Amino acid sequence: GAVVSQHPSWVICKSGTSVKIECRSLDFQATTMFWYRQFPKQSLMLMATSNEGSKATYEQGVEKDKFLINHASLTLSTLTVTSAHPEDSSFYICSAREETSPRVYEQYFGPGTRLTVT
Amino acid sequence: GQNIDQPTEMTATEGAIVQINCTYQTSGFNGLFWYQQHAGEAPTFLSYNVLDGLEEKGRFSSFLSRSKGYSYLLLKELQMKDSASYLCAVKGDQTGANNLFFGTGTRLTVIP
Repeated sequence: GAVVSQHPSWVICKSGTSVKIECRSLDFQATTMFWYRQFPKQSLMLMATSNEGSKATYEQGVEKDKFLINHASLTLSTLTVTSAHPEDSSFYICSAREETSPRVYEQYFGPGTRLTVT
Repeated sequence: GQNIDQPTEMTATEGAIVQINCTYQTSGFNGLFWYQQHAGEAPTFLSYNVLDGLEEKGRFSSFLSRSKGYSYLLLKELQMKDSASYLCAVKGDQTGANNLFFGTGTRLTVIP
């Protein structure tokens, strides 16, 4: 089945620094990937849609200058949290659709990245 | 806007049956998903409904009524490992993306 990986799985950074999270589709190509954020005991909130070769589409309330998304290839999207603050501490999850699959409706989720900002 | 409602928590006994309900109001509808998520892990796909009716898959079944904006996930023969959060998600029709809008999730605790 389709596999999505994320790196790193967890990261601790100091307030004011930037952190980059990678999302890769390992055995399929993904024109579109999605970035979600999940706070403790809450559900997933879509942050942005990452489009290969074009600008990301951000959800309302998500600062595009703070959460930089780059979809450089059909298998890699990156999310950079710039000037991180403690309130950015969260579980970040990416997902991708296998667009050539008969099950094109299904999104495959990465294992998530736990970000802690101190 | 999108509004997806689920109960926050449920408790059930090992071996029993539990039904987790989900109601939704979304701008457009292109399918409803159920995901299972264990604490600290990514969601895993359980089921997908786009037409009215019941979809059965082993111990898990999912039902959809589009006219009522309603779905449920039915778990039979509960096992301790079924303790997890169950997320209801609707695929809307937002321009340019087939993204999912998630409910708050239902945290199910299975007790002996």
